[in-house]
Amino acid sequence: KAGVTQTPRYLIKTRGQQVTLSCSPISGHRSVSWYQQTPGQGLQFLFEYFSETQRNKGNFPGRFSGRQFSNSRSEMNVSTLELGDSALYLCASSFSRTSNEQFFGPGTRLTVL
Amino acid sequence: ELKVEQNPLFLSMQEGKNYTIYCNYSTTSDRLYWYRQDPGKSLESLFVLLSNGAVKQEGRLMASLDTKARLSTLHITAAVHDLSATYFCAVDSRNSGNTPLVFGKGTRLSVIA
Repeated sequence: KAGVTQTPRYLIKTRGQQVTLSCSPISGHRSVSWYQQTPGQGLQFLFEYFSETQRNKGNFPGRFSGRQFSNSRSEMNVSTLELGDSALYLCASSFSRTSNEQFFGPGTRLTVL
Repeated sequence: ELKVEQNPLFLSMQEGKNYTIYCNYSTTSDRLYWYRQDPGKSLESLFVLLSNGAVKQEGRLMASLDTKARLSTLHITAAVHDLSATYFCAVDSRNSGNTPLVFGKGTRLSVIA
């Protein structure tokens, strides 16, 4: 069974640009969550999607947005990039919102110059 | 607001020694997770603890949960170099209205000969 995949794996952007990251969950999994990892703030929750609906949102500005498609794949978008958005963005999938396990993808490392 | 505190944040231990990492959290939990992260890599699930008194063991690692004390421990027995990594605990308390998976800051473990 294939794991969670994230594309691209690495990304370099400049301030003011926007970026879209993609996450394909494990087949059959319908819940997708996104997390941002930085050395200073650690791991922080961004969004949770289930059945194409955002179920939870972390404490991030409106520049961070996301969506989930009918096949459970998810994308997150960051507009007007800032230097502080440089981070490892991790996606996790689970079968349902009450599943006991979340499986993390390899992450997308975003560098903003 | 759910807060998760881990200590120590840095741990250098000799091979063959035992040590414990502590994870305290501030509200009731539905599930408590332990993850391992190697440098530049994603999160690898180690344990999921669901109920008070739960104890799980895998190799040299053993995790336990005391929901009354809001405390989980990760005990390392006879450490070996391969255990060098960063260990995170994370608490899922969505049933209490919190966002999924609030992470501790992580414990960077270095096992030296």
